[in-house]
Amino acid sequence: EAGVVQSPRYKIIEKKQPVAFWCNPISGHNTLYWYRQNLGQGPELLIRYENEEAVDDSQLPKDRFSAERLKGVDSTLKIQPAELGDSAVYLCASTPRQGAYEQYFGPGTRLTVT
Amino acid sequence: QQQVKQSPQSLIVQKGGIPIINCAYENTAFDYFPWYQQFPGKGPALLIAIRPDVSEKKEGRFTISFNKSAKQFSLHIMDSQPGDSATYFCAASTRGWGKLQFGAGTQVVVTP
Repeated sequence: EAGVVQSPRYKIIEKKQPVAFWCNPISGHNTLYWYRQNLGQGPELLIRYENEEAVDDSQLPKDRFSAERLKGVDSTLKIQPAELGDSAVYLCASTPRQGAYEQYFGPGTRLTVT
Repeated sequence: QQQVKQSPQSLIVQKGGIPIINCAYENTAFDYFPWYQQFPGKGPALLIAIRPDVSEKKEGRFTISFNKSAKQFSLHIMDSQPGDSATYFCAASTRGWGKLQFGAGTQVVVTP
């Protein structure tokens, strides 16, 4: 079974530029999460999707961050414009069904904003 | 507000030793406590998890001890190997809440 796929793996951009990250969850997993992991810290949730509906986006900085999950499968997380403080690893995770505890993470996208 | 506090920040043990990582939580509604292992450049991988109705769970060389009254849980790595060198994160969640609340992580180094 293929795991969670994320791309790109690394991204370097200048501040004020836009950037987008893509995630393909494990096949059949309806719940999808985006987390941000700052250096030396644990992941922190940005947004959770149940199918195509964003059910928890309370931690998403909506002035510059946006996300979508069209058709309830792939998801894209966008930052526009990026700031220096956005440098982090952006992780995508999925679970097989709503209410399931186990979350399976992708390898992440390491973003560096210069 | 840090809902899950993890210690120590780093740990060095010799091969065969037993690194122990501790976590404490405040929210009594938490009912799921997983441990994740993360290697550099990789995403966190689910290692082992426990529910509050048991006090201990073993999977291979990894053991979780859980103390509900103290609101604490810990990870023991038995017979540690250099390949166990990684960062370990404890976490907590509740059914329906959806998100995992992670600790800050413990970098474990196992020397040959």
